[in-house]
Formats: sequence, structure tokens, C-alpha cells
Amino acid sequence: LAKTTQPISMDSYEGQEVNITCSHNNIATNDYITWYQQFPSQGPRFIIQGYKTKVTNEVASLFIPADRKSSTLSLPRVSLSDTAVYYCLVGGKTSYDKVIFGPGTSLSVIP
Amino acid sequence: KAGVTQTPRYLIKTRGQQVTLSCSPISGHRSVSWYQQTPGQGLQFLFEYFSETQRNKGNFPGRFSGRQFSNSRSEMNVSTLELGDSALYLCASSLLGQGVNTEAFFGQGTRLTVV
Repeated sequence: LAKTTQPISMDSYEGQEVNITCSHNNIATNDYITWYQQFPSQGPRFIIQGYKTKVTNEVASLFIPADRKSSTLSLPRVSLSDTAVYYCLVGGKTSYDKVIFGPGTSLSVIP
Repeated sequence: KAGVTQTPRYLIKTRGQQVTLSCSPISGHRSVSWYQQTPGQGLQFLFEYFSETQRNKGNFPGRFSGRQFSNSRSEMNVSTLELGDSALYLCASSLLGQGVNTEAFFGQGTRLTVV
């Protein structure tokens, strides 16, 4: 079962690009990498998912190196509203796959 | 398109009582999964239901149970409440039972306080 490791917290100024790296040394062949964002007292919100190389959507990019032992969530030009906890999940895409949320990364955006 | 609806939003119960929480998934989604979130343990997976069948289960005692109805709505029950059961309970729905390792949609949660 792939365990993930992320920084506990990060600070960034508004307008900067933020990169959050997640380590998952034991990732399995059928595992995907999924990122969620959570604001206080709300449920997590799906941000992005990838398997390898680079994935980009309207809110973020996900970079995954060839060995897939880590991944980096990139948030371009963050604003105060991006202050949240970001979770990296690694696992298969079936109901039978284990689900483990790590402690996440608490991102604080400073004006 | 309506999102995931959890009721009630807040609940206060006494130790030893039981509680039932409800989750209505996004229309068309057949999978509902439940999570407990506490400051100390973070987000922990409870169980997942797909087409009325429990497909996956986390490491929680038997006091925690759930079910899913034919319309995909799900309920979670906790019996013999303990102080440590105080938490935010979240449910998530996804298409085709793919779990949160894909695009799952979470509700706002039910804040349970056990006194």
C-alpha cells in the first residue's frame, strides 16, 4: 500500500506559483495520483488526477516523473482563497482499493 | 446539478445513544463512501457502498455501520456513542463505484458532538 508524504505546511504570497510535492515511493503499477483541496468545515474538493507525465486543468497542473515515486501539484498565481489543506492520494480506481488520506499540506497564502 | 447533500448538518448526542446520518449522492452516482474527520486522526475512510452493497471497509469497530438504498441514498449509523466519536462525518459520491481515487464529490458533512 503506497504511503504518501507531504510537507505539513507551506506559506506563499499572493500571485506566486506554489508547488506542493508528494512522495510515494511504493506506488503500484495500477495506482493513480489524486489531489483534493479542503477548506475548514467543508468536504474535500477534487482538484486533479494523473498517472504519469503532466496533467493540466483550469485550476492546477500535476507533474509526475517517469519513476512515479513523487508528484508535484502546481497552483499558478495563488490568491487568498487558495488557503486550504491539500491532500495527495495514491491508489487504484476501483471500490476495492484502499483509501488513505495523509495529513495533507496546509497552505497559507499571505497578502 | 445538485451536489451531495448530508443531513443533518449538526448533531449533539449523549454517550451511549445511537445516531443515523444521511447522505444523498449526486443524481446518477451509484457509489457513496463515508469518512470520519477529527483533528487528531485526520480523514479516515469508513466504508463504501455501490448499488446497495458494501464494497470496501476501513478499520472501524462494528458500532459503525451503513447501508444504501435502491435510490443510492445512504445512511450511516453509529451505536453506543463514545466521546471519541465526535467528528465531522463526510460522505462522497462518485460515478460507477470508483472511490475517491478518482473524481469524488463530497458533501459539507455532519458535525457530530457527543457529550
